[in-house]
Amino acid sequence: QKEVEQDPGPLSVPEGAIVSLNCTYSNSAFQYFMWYRQYSRKGPELLMYTYSSGNKEDGRFTAQVDKSSKYISLFIRDSQPSDSATYLCAMSPAYSGAGSYQLTFGKGTKLSVIP
Amino acid sequence: DGGITQSPKYLFRKEGQNVTLSCEQNLNHDAMYWYRQDPGQGLRLIYYSQIVNDFQKGDIAEGYSVSREKKESFPLTVTSAQKNPTAFYLCASSFYRAGGELFFGEGSRLTVL
Repeated sequence: QKEVEQDPGPLSVPEGAIVSLNCTYSNSAFQYFMWYRQYSRKGPELLMYTYSSGNKEDGRFTAQVDKSSKYISLFIRDSQPSDSATYLCAMSPAYSGAGSYQLTFGKGTKLSVIP
Repeated sequence: DGGITQSPKYLFRKEGQNVTLSCEQNLNHDAMYWYRQDPGQGLRLIYYSQIVNDFQKGDIAEGYSVSREKKESFPLTVTSAQKNPTAFYLCASSFYRAGGELFFGEGSRLTVL
């Protein structure tokens, strides 16, 4: 079983729709959870950052972490064509040690928002 | 503006040639990383460095080499030993601490002819 699973899509939605993206993971040591957005032929940029469980909201974006289910989600409200990109989840544990600060990435979900 | 600069953005090379990709950061980050991204494969870690003059292999280090002589710089050499070098290469940096988020460069697209 891979450490982080993410449906690659592609996911196509009409403009204005609510988008739900998610990742599951197997390592119970993960404490930090991030979502990156990557436009075509560009580097990923950090979109949302959460620690441990709970929700975090930033404008049209909401990140949720459910550690009991080992499941994280990113919701996009009122989706726009400019949201069309690949979304990657990433996570890392909290303990120290060689290599332990590495982020583990999902493979990314490609989203298209159709005008 | 602080950030990570990768160059060149596009690079073509003939089989059998070594090529070096540049990565410079002015974020005062301790750690730097090189990832390779292929369609359907996600990000795969090639090498990472926590401090100057020290670096560790990632998951797919074969056919690659790096150096870290300065905190700001972490060049990647794709050698002729790399069997399938055509890919999108991403450099990143972070503070080396739990939860340290990665900041990425714009990427370098290498095509082997």
